[in-house]
Amino acid sequence: DAGVTQSPTHLIKTRGQQVTLRCSPKSGHDTVSWYQQALGQGPQFIFQYYEEEERQRGNFPDRFSGHQFPNYSSELNVNALLLGDSALYLCASSSSLAYEQYFGPGTRLTVT
Amino acid sequence: AQRVTQPEKLLSVFKGAPVELKCNYSYSGSPELFWYVQYSRQRLQLLLRHISRESIKGFTADLNKGETSFHLKKPFAQEEDSAMYYCALSGDSGYALNFGKGTSLLVTP
Repeated sequence: DAGVTQSPTHLIKTRGQQVTLRCSPKSGHDTVSWYQQALGQGPQFIFQYYEEEERQRGNFPDRFSGHQFPNYSSELNVNALLLGDSALYLCASSSSLAYEQYFGPGTRLTVT
Repeated sequence: AQRVTQPEKLLSVFKGAPVELKCNYSYSGSPELFWYVQYSRQRLQLLLRHISRESIKGFTADLNKGETSFHLKKPFAQEEDSAMYYCALSGDSGYALNFGKGTSLLVTP
């Protein structure tokens, strides 16, 4: 089991553009959470998906949206990119039966 | 509101010395508390969870509800313990993890 995988590894976008990040959960997991980690900060919760629905959302604007597919994989979409969206985006998966979240390696997004 | 505070940005200790990484939290309900670790060029990984009361890699952490603390301790630090450590809290819903800003631990020979 490769664990949680994310793609792409790195991404450079221009302000105002849109971006889609992808995540495949660990085998046996059905829940996916997304976090944003700015430089020098801890990860900040964006939202969590379970049964293809957004189950909980953090304090992020509507420009951040997501989706979960029937195979439990997930996408994070960010519209109208701002310079401040530059960060490491982490995906974490978990089982609906347990609290522990397992993290992917992250996608480094740079907005210029 | 939930908040996790890790007061030390950097902690440097000598090999063999005891280490304590501090974590304080604010939450009105019954929290689930975790320590995550990130070694150089590796992904964030769960170190331990308060409810399991395990000792992982020699580390322990005790939840002190009176002081709202969940400090991470190890009696004898090893060089391979050098890493970034994050304390995290999950509230009653058990969904979102609320992380502190992290403490960078450096163990020198």
